[in-house]
Amino acid sequence: QKEVEQDPGPLSVPEGAIVSLNCTYSNSAFQYFMWYRQYSRKGPELLMYTYSSGNKEDGRFTAQVDKSSKYISLFIRDSQPSDSATYLCAPAKAAGNKLTFGGGTRVLVKP
Amino acid sequence: GAVVSQHPSWVICKSGTSVKIECRSLDFQATTMFWYRQFPKQSLMLMATSNEGSKATYEQGVEKDKFLINHASLTLSTLTVTSAHPEDSSFYICSARDPGLAGEQYFGPGTRLTVT
Repeated sequence: QKEVEQDPGPLSVPEGAIVSLNCTYSNSAFQYFMWYRQYSRKGPELLMYTYSSGNKEDGRFTAQVDKSSKYISLFIRDSQPSDSATYLCAPAKAAGNKLTFGGGTRVLVKP
Repeated sequence: GAVVSQHPSWVICKSGTSVKIECRSLDFQATTMFWYRQFPKQSLMLMATSNEGSKATYEQGVEKDKFLINHASLTLSTLTVTSAHPEDSSFYICSARDPGLAGEQYFGPGTRLTVT
């Protein structure tokens, strides 16, 4: 079993819809949870990060962490075609520690 | 957000030669940088952690004599692929750790290496 699991997708949604992405992990030592967006043949771009359990909102993005169930979510409101990319969750055990990447979920937002 | 650059963005080399890839943090000092490789349709695999002024820490299964890492300054880390072979062809990406509290990592744009 991989430490971090994501549904590979593709997840196809119409423009303007809410995109719901999930990630599960097995290591209870993870404390920091990062979400990255990666366009094809580009480096990942940090979207947001959360510490421990709870919610965090940044513009159209909302991240949720439920440590009791080891479940991480990212929601994208008012999705745009430019949001079409692969989304990677990447938890870490401590601030600045190495990240453990999930396999990524490919998202397609259709105009 | 913080900016990390990589050079070159794309390189083709012949089998048996060595290739150096540079990773620079442009607007912050990074005591720690990370090197990843990514194969098509796969996620990022951490190769090594690079700390300024000390030896890199390699992940299990990564040959340190083949993938030489140097982190000589707070803004520059280099990865040298020695005696490259076609199976080393991949997308190499570096990241730099922000010195702030959360220590989030910012990634470079990646270097595509093709070994013929």
